Amino acid sequence: AQKITQTQPGMFVQEKEAVTLDCTYDTSDPSYGLFWYKQPSSGEMIFLIYQGSYDQQNATEGRYSLNFQKARKSANLVISASQLGDSAMYFCAMREGPSYNTDKLIFGTGTRLQVFP
Amino acid sequence: GAVVSQHPSRVICKSGTSVKIECRSLDFQATTMFWYRQFPKKSLMLMATSNEGSKATYEQGVEKDKFLINHASLTLSTLTVTSAHPEDSSFYICSARDPGLAEETQYFGPGTRLLVL
Repeated sequence: AQKITQTQPGMFVQEKEAVTLDCTYDTSDPSYGLFWYKQPSSGEMIFLIYQGSYDQQNATEGRYSLNFQKARKSANLVISASQLGDSAMYFCAMREGPSYNTDKLIFGTGTRLQVFP
Repeated sequence: GAVVSQHPSRVICKSGTSVKIECRSLDFQATTMFWYRQFPKKSLMLMATSNEGSKATYEQGVEKDKFLINHASLTLSTLTVTSAHPEDSSFYICSARDPGLAEETQYFGPGTRLLVL
């Protein structure tokens, strides 16, 4: 079974609109971390946001927020007020286990977001 | 955030030669670094965990004799692709977490594009 599933290979959004990128995960470990990274065409992986499994509140970082629904095992990324520069690949990733035990990340297949004027 | 660098950013080599890629943590010490490879339009696949002062831990299916990893210092890990073949052409990217920071984030290097002719 896939540990991280991103069902949207591609998404389009108009500039200034909000967009949600889906991510579901599968783990039986009670301690885990969820990450979102942005990869522009240059290839660098840019960290966007992190959610710990024990965090009570949804993570937010500027225009990025993570809609964490633990019971559903989903960790969707919401980008508000999209900008043309947001066009990139977006990867959801999971660290399965506590951070003192492991730093290994498992990545989803990614979603290509295109923002149009 | 923490900074991770990689060198070279691009390399073209002939089939049968070996290529060394360096990954450095610039402002922190990393006892553990990770090496990923990414094929075009695909996700990141973890190849191995580089452990300072000890042997690397390879993921299933990764040939340890082909992808030699050396983590001789707390700020440098190297990946050597030995006897490279065209199928080794890929984007190689490393990551590390700053253990001195409370945040859980892993930071990635800018990646190395390898083309084997």
